[in-house]
Amino acid sequence: AQRVTQPEKLLSVFKGAPVELKCNYSYSGSPELFWYVQYSRQRLQLLLRHISRESIKGFTADLNKGETSFHLKKPFAQEEDSAMYYCALSDTDKLIFGTGTRLQVFP
Amino acid sequence: ETGVTQTPRHLVMGMTNKKSLKCEQHLGHNAMYWYKQSAKKPLELMFVYNFKEQTENNSVPSRFSPECPNSSHLFLHLHTLQPEDSALYLCASSQDRGGADTQYFGPGTRLTVL
Repeated sequence: AQRVTQPEKLLSVFKGAPVELKCNYSYSGSPELFWYVQYSRQRLQLLLRHISRESIKGFTADLNKGETSFHLKKPFAQEEDSAMYYCALSDTDKLIFGTGTRLQVFP
Repeated sequence: ETGVTQTPRHLVMGMTNKKSLKCEQHLGHNAMYWYKQSAKKPLELMFVYNFKEQTENNSVPSRFSPECPNSSHLFLHLHTLQPEDSALYLCASSQDRGGADTQYFGPGTRLTVL
């Protein structure tokens, strides 16, 4: 069955530290993966998608088909990165979301 | 207002009430979605509409009844709900139906069923 797993509910780091938010997926076809983010008092929004292979707000994510992972990384966390992050998998005509990881960046 | 709007933002209802949630998108998109977000659970897709036609009903109980009169508006009619239906209900839209299209979310309606 198609599934997205985010093993960490909460990740706390200090400003300037590297960040890695983990995401693993289970999918029988060729996956398309996304990271969505929800900042405090804001709506859920797309952060990045693997097919774009771009860096958004300093975040990158590489699809590793061998490990079925799509971890989100940033070398130096900022306080404004504090938010809820959701990994999502495209399944034909819908998105399958993980449970989310809350990132807290302390000053 | 631009983007995806949802009303009301908060709703408290009894189990015997009938209420409706409204979603409107100003993006010219063809597909609209209802999601349920409960504590400690992933976002659950409920319904998908593409060009006003329902294309997905993700095993949602009949006490939830969607309506899509046009590509810009989506309703979720609620009746005889249960306390476990209390959750944040999110509406989203995308250019076309398909998980690969970026979905744009509304702010959600926080529903409490007493």
